[in-house]
Amino acid sequence: GDSVTQMEGPVTLSEEACLTINCTYTATGYPSLFWYVQYPGEGLQLLLKATKADDKGSNKGFEATYRKETTSFHLEKGSVQVSDSAVYFCALSRGNAGKSTFGDGTTLTVKP
Amino acid sequence: NAGVTQTPKFRVLKTGQSMTLLCAQDMNHEYMYWYRQDPGMGLRLIHYSVGEGTTAKGEVPDGYNVSRLKKQNFLLGLESAAPSQTSVYFCASRTTTFEQYFGPGTRLTVT
Repeated sequence: GDSVTQMEGPVTLSEEACLTINCTYTATGYPSLFWYVQYPGEGLQLLLKATKADDKGSNKGFEATYRKETTSFHLEKGSVQVSDSAVYFCALSRGNAGKSTFGDGTTLTVKP
Repeated sequence: NAGVTQTPKFRVLKTGQSMTLLCAQDMNHEYMYWYRQDPGMGLRLIHYSVGEGTTAKGEVPDGYNVSRLKKQNFLLGLESAAPSQTSVYFCASRTTTFEQYFGPGTRLTVT
């Protein structure tokens, strides 16, 4: 079946440091890939997505590129802020009855 | 647009009590989902619906029932609550391009 594996956390960075959160997936066909962010006490919010190989999703300074050859969708940001502290989830969807597969989440803490 | 709303936000139940969680969306989405989130377990799908009048089981459906009588509403019921159902419950709806919109969550404690 489908699966998503995320880099284990927690991750702690200083403000303005570079961020990479690794995500790899297993799925048949050509899934759409997503990153969601969850701030404390809130539901998940879509951060960015990519729907086909070599697509780059971007939003709020975050980027991720759909790499089919390595089945990866790593999340990157060049300079993190304290306000980026949250839990980040990688996910895929193949349209199989509309269900998505989520990774376990990676907790990011950014210190001033 | 309110997006996805959930009622209630918090609830404490005693073992054996029943309750219904209400989810409403105003985006005219066909697909809706109920998840539970537990520490170290990520998100687990309880039940989902692909349209009004339809429901289907997810990966952890035992102890829960759902109904989708109206397209905008998706109800999650606990018939006889157990401490193992202490969790944060999220409802979500989905666009035709697979993006999910989540509600703010319901924090349920069963004592």
